[in-house]
Amino acid sequence: DTGVSQDPRHKITKRGQNVTFRCDPISEHNRLYWYRQTLGQGPEFLTYFQNEAQLEKSRLLSDRFSAERPKGSFSTLEIQRTEQGDSAMYLCASSLASAGGYGYTFGSGTRLTVV
Amino acid sequence: AQTVTQSQPEMSVQEAETVTLSCTYDTSENNYYLFWYKQPPSRQMILVIRQEAYKQQNATENRFSVNFQKAAKSFSLKISDSQLGDTAMYFCAFMYSGTYKYIFGTGTRLKVLA
Repeated sequence: DTGVSQDPRHKITKRGQNVTFRCDPISEHNRLYWYRQTLGQGPEFLTYFQNEAQLEKSRLLSDRFSAERPKGSFSTLEIQRTEQGDSAMYLCASSLASAGGYGYTFGSGTRLTVV
Repeated sequence: AQTVTQSQPEMSVQEAETVTLSCTYDTSENNYYLFWYKQPPSRQMILVIRQEAYKQQNATENRFSVNFQKAAKSFSLKISDSQLGDTAMYFCAFMYSGTYKYIFGTGTRLKVLA
């Protein structure tokens, strides 16, 4: 098991373009989380899945954001019509539903720069 | 709303010395977990240590230990025998028992000096 993988590591895009990020969790983990980390801040919760079901979305996740986890495996996070305020590190993490209190395993993140 | 406060944006420590990072939090709940995560430059966040609120005994993991003061809502991290590899951003985080969401502090950037 290689841990949580995120692709790409870096993405530079022009304002108004759409971008999609991918996260591959640890295979036996049924929970998958997305967080956003802006400069000088701690990560903030965006959304989470249990298996293929998206169970909660933060108010931070505007209508331009959508996340999917087909078949309860990998997940994608899409941002439509990107804005400069979307520039951030997007972190994915996974865990077992029964073991959230033991912490998540995080990926290395995707750093998005909107120019 | 629950908050986690890390009042030290940056700290430095000499190699082999001991350093303590501060964290305070605000909650009215009784059952929760507290965590310290380490985020090295351009690398993934790694769990350093966790504490269950109902346990009075402070958690330890090798060179890392915590001072958990529940009444004061304080959760500091002590790093003993600091090593160059400890250079990283350190985040304190809070999670309610039975939930799934972290509330993170703003982090403390620690630099270990040779």
